[in-house]
Amino acid sequence: AQTVTQSQPEMSVQEAETVTLSCTYDTSESDYYLFWYKQPPSRQMILVIRQEAYKQQNATENRFSVNFQKAAKSFSLKISDSQLGDAAMYFCAYRGAGGTSYGKLTFGQGTILTVHP
Amino acid sequence: DAGVIQSPRHEVTEMGQEVTLRCKPISGHNSLFWYRQTMMRGLELLIYFNNNVPIDDSGMPEDRFSAKMPNASFSTLKIQPSEPRDSAVYFCASSLGIAITFGSGTRLTVV
Repeated sequence: AQTVTQSQPEMSVQEAETVTLSCTYDTSESDYYLFWYKQPPSRQMILVIRQEAYKQQNATENRFSVNFQKAAKSFSLKISDSQLGDAAMYFCAYRGAGGTSYGKLTFGQGTILTVHP
Repeated sequence: DAGVIQSPRHEVTEMGQEVTLRCKPISGHNSLFWYRQTMMRGLELLIYFNNNVPIDDSGMPEDRFSAKMPNASFSTLKIQPSEPRDSAVYFCASSLGIAITFGSGTRLTVV
């Protein structure tokens, strides 16, 4: 079974600074997808960024980028120029591309990000 | 697009009562998921459907839980009888391709 681990229960950052959230995963599959979701106090789950395992290039979405290290099974999220609205719980998630894990998102435990003005 | 629509947003019920949570997926999406979020266990997949057919219900905690998807635009998650330990936020989500879009969730409190 696939597992996703977020080792940082809480992180904090100053407004306009950069912060990196860590995520590792365990899988025996070669093809899969990785995601970061943001959950603000409104509890809505918002997709921040995604990465296909077959792509070597790291995904980027505006101020959000990832560092995907397939061999190390690591998938960290970097938030640049942090804004107060970035404060939320962030979840790393894994989705298999086939087989029994296809379709299912497996989530990490989450990291609470606080942004200080 | 209105997104994934869940109802009700909040539900408070007494132990032993039947609870039905409702979900309307995004039009055109062919996969639908029910997740449960608690402080202790985080986000857990309960069941998912593909083309209205249940594919994996291994996450359904026990026989008190049941889910249906009678058509492509509607799904229900029913708990009968409800227990205090069922208190959680229940999310419905849908997808067509890689990304999964979540609804706003239903906060269920069983007293």
